[in-house]
Amino acid sequence: TQLLEQSPQFLSIQEGENLTVYCNSSSVFSSLQWYRQEPGEGPVLLVTVVTGGEVKKLKRLTFQFGDARKDSSLHITAAQPGDTGLYLCAGPYSGGSNYKLTFGKGTLLTVNP
Amino acid sequence: EAGVTQFPSHSVIEKGQTVTLRCDPISGHDNLYWYRRVMGKEIKFLLHFVKESKQDESGMPNNRFLAERTGGTYSTLKVQPAELEDSGVYFCASSQDALAFFGQGTRLTVV
Repeated sequence: TQLLEQSPQFLSIQEGENLTVYCNSSSVFSSLQWYRQEPGEGPVLLVTVVTGGEVKKLKRLTFQFGDARKDSSLHITAAQPGDTGLYLCAGPYSGGSNYKLTFGKGTLLTVNP
Repeated sequence: EAGVTQFPSHSVIEKGQTVTLRCDPISGHDNLYWYRRVMGKEIKFLLHFVKESKQDESGMPNNRFLAERTGGTYSTLKVQPAELEDSGVYFCASSQDALAFFGQGTRLTVV
């Protein structure tokens, strides 16, 4: 079973602070995806990381895939209230289609004005 | 372009009743996935359609769940009879190639 552990489970910070959330597994993944989910909505894909050691930037968000492709991190610089949401990491099951995904439980981020 | 649409957004039913959830994927998307999030747990894969064919239904919990995708367009997920542990949020996603889009989910509460 390929499990993804996310930490922290909850994070509450002030606007302007920086933060990092983590996604870890004992299994190797061919790729990992990061999603953000807002209340009453479905997950929205932010990024897919594919290569070990890869770093991708999306405005103030920086995503990193571990060299061994077992872990990933999401760093947000100067967080804003609009960043509030549930951040999920997900990876495809070995041998499955790209979107037969296993998800972590998520990190619930609250950015206070 | 319309996104993935799910109906209803909420459903409250009594144990033993039947409920049917519907998913309308993005037009032209051959791949359709159902997922479920039970309270306190992670989102879990249920099954995958390619057009009208079930490609993978390894995540379906038991035979009380029946998914169909007649004509390869919209899909339905029927739970019959519903049990308390079926409560959760059911998500549908569709994709054509490398990018998948999720619907807003149906929150099912079995009382």
